[in-house]
Amino acid sequence: DAKTTQPPSMDCAEGRAANLPCNHSTISGNEYVYWYRQIHSQGPQYIIHGLKNNETNEMASLIITEDRKSSTLILPHATLRDTAVYYCIVSYNAGNMLTFGGGTRLMVKP
Amino acid sequence: GAGVSQSPRYKVAKRGQDVALRCDPISGHVSLFWYQQALGQGPEFLTYFQNEAQLDKSGLPSDRFFAERPEGSVSTLKIQRTQQEDSAVYLCASSLNAGVVDEQFFGPGTRLTVL
Repeated sequence: DAKTTQPPSMDCAEGRAANLPCNHSTISGNEYVYWYRQIHSQGPQYIIHGLKNNETNEMASLIITEDRKSSTLILPHATLRDTAVYYCIVSYNAGNMLTFGGGTRLMVKP
Repeated sequence: GAGVSQSPRYKVAKRGQDVALRCDPISGHVSLFWYQQALGQGPEFLTYFQNEAQLDKSGLPSDRFFAERPEGSVSTLKIQRTQQEDSAVYLCASSLNAGVVDEQFFGPGTRLTVL
């Protein structure tokens, strides 16, 4: 599976959009981009995934660049409960094991 | 509905003791995964089951680690002769299907502390 690079930490003001970047320059054509998050003392939680097109669900939006070498997870209106470590993962499918990197620790501040 | 559950939530063991960690996946989920998460790091894959078959155990760190899922539902991760370096959170995840794009549902984890 392709390796990902994420900033170790980010801050965001409550109510503002949180934009979390991820670089995956070695992604191959059939690898998906997945985002999970892990709130303190809980197991990781699936957020969203995509292949080529941008995706949106009730939690977030995923923007994938045309060359697929990077992506951005957008939380449109961050709340204090969104404080967590966010993991960007690329994989052929989530039916196989997930390879977590270090993730981005997002701190949402009042 | 019920999610993935794990027990115990916390386990303290003396070095050299054997421990058994239980995972109850979501009913009907075919795939089951075990991950190990050291303090301050992301989870690392240990092993994968498709129903009762253990298809990948490449992540198990040593032969002291053993996992089983005999009836294709509940799974147990056993660690023999625990060492201090085994201290970590052990996470279990399940997914409905195998080999397709499918999210994994994680349990809360078992925090193992080896003294």
